[in-house]
Amino acid sequence: NAGVTQTPKFRILKIGQSMTLQCTQDMNHNYMYWYRQDPGMGLKLIYYSVGAGITDKGEVPNGYNVSRSTTEDFPLRLELAAPSQTSVYFCASRGLEQEPLHNEQFFGPGTRLTVL
Amino acid sequence: AQKITQTQPGMFVQEKEAVTLDCTYDTSDPSYGLFWYKQPSSGEMIFLIYQGSYDQQNATEGRYSLNFQKARKSANLVISASQLGDSAMYFCAMSHHGSSNTGKLIFGQGTTLQVKP
Repeated sequence: NAGVTQTPKFRILKIGQSMTLQCTQDMNHNYMYWYRQDPGMGLKLIYYSVGAGITDKGEVPNGYNVSRSTTEDFPLRLELAAPSQTSVYFCASRGLEQEPLHNEQFFGPGTRLTVL
Repeated sequence: AQKITQTQPGMFVQEKEAVTLDCTYDTSDPSYGLFWYKQPSSGEMIFLIYQGSYDQQNATEGRYSLNFQKARKSANLVISASQLGDSAMYFCAMSHHGSSNTGKLIFGQGTTLQVKP
């Protein structure tokens, strides 16, 4: 049981390049999330998904796209990288609620992205 | 507006002493959950403790306890008997329950804790 895995761990992009950050979970969780963390700051939600085929925007979605074709995978796409997208990206997942109500999210190790 | 505020950018504590990290929140939703996560220098996010808005008792998990004061909208984390390994960034976060419980988390800015030997 690997939990939530993310690839790559590090990446340097040039302005205007595109890339996909991969996220996979093996816990059969319905809910998956992408957050970004800027230096010295808290995490902000980019996109989330409540199940395969269903995605929605979070607080800071501009410049990103997502898809959820399977329960396990939730890739994040950057189409035209900009320096403002330099950040650490975390993927997270959680299962359906169980009693007592508990919404713990399990986080991946993060991807550190630099755009130059 | 839904918001989490952590007013202590940095804290120091002596090893073996207790420390309280402050968190206040703002929400009009009656059903919500409050979380604390630890982020060591290695960068991963580690779940510590959870408190539901309807929970009657304060949550405890080992050396961690959550001082939940609903009327004041505060959810302070108390770490007892601090250890050197507790040195890290700590984040308070909130999610809303209710009919469309998507589990989205709103995070505070974080508090950096340094434990002195």
